[in-house]
Amino acid sequence: AQKITQTQPGMFVQEKEAVTLDCTYDTSDPSYGLFWYKQPSSGEMIFLIYQGSYDQQNATEGRYSLNFQKARKSANLVISASQLGDSAMYFCAMRRLNYGGSQGNLIFGKGTKLSVKP
Amino acid sequence: SQTIHQWPATLVQPVGSPLSLECTVEGTSNPNLYWYRQAAGRGLQLLFYSVGIGQISSEVPQNLSASRPQDRQFILSSKKLLLSDSGFYLCAWKRKSGANVLTFGAGSRLTVL
Repeated sequence: AQKITQTQPGMFVQEKEAVTLDCTYDTSDPSYGLFWYKQPSSGEMIFLIYQGSYDQQNATEGRYSLNFQKARKSANLVISASQLGDSAMYFCAMRRLNYGGSQGNLIFGKGTKLSVKP
Repeated sequence: SQTIHQWPATLVQPVGSPLSLECTVEGTSNPNLYWYRQAAGRGLQLLFYSVGIGQISSEVPQNLSASRPQDRQFILSSKKLLLSDSGFYLCAWKRKSGANVLTFGAGSRLTVL
């Protein structure tokens, strides 16, 4: 069965510093996608970054990068130069890419609450 | 560009009353559509998904139902709400091919009293 684990319920980071949010996953499928979403207090889920299991390089999107370690089944999100507006819940998610129907649906971890201190 | 709309944004309903949450997507056709629920302080749980008009798959047996009367419209309903139905409901869409990203609406916060 697929599973996403986020072991950090809450994290604090000083403004302008970098922070790493942990995510480990469990799947036996060779083809899958890993996602990170940000959920501010307003509730909207905002897509941040995507990594495919066959991608050779770690994904980057502006201040966000995904530290993908396939052998360790980890997909940590790194936020560089933290800003006050980065304070939010962050969710790691995974989807099996070769499946349709319910087996190909996105599953989420329980999230990490990031607080950026001024 | 594509946009997704959900309404109402906030709803307070008594136990036993009906529910209807609506979601529409603009700027795309034949999307996959999803309803998720997020209980307070927890992750997202997939409730229903749809790959086409009238095609609904349920992930979790519950007091809720979903319908897709039009290609880009997805409705979450209940005939009689329970206290346990309180939560934050998110609609999302995804293209059937190409991009794998799920795009979410702004959510509907339901409180059942």
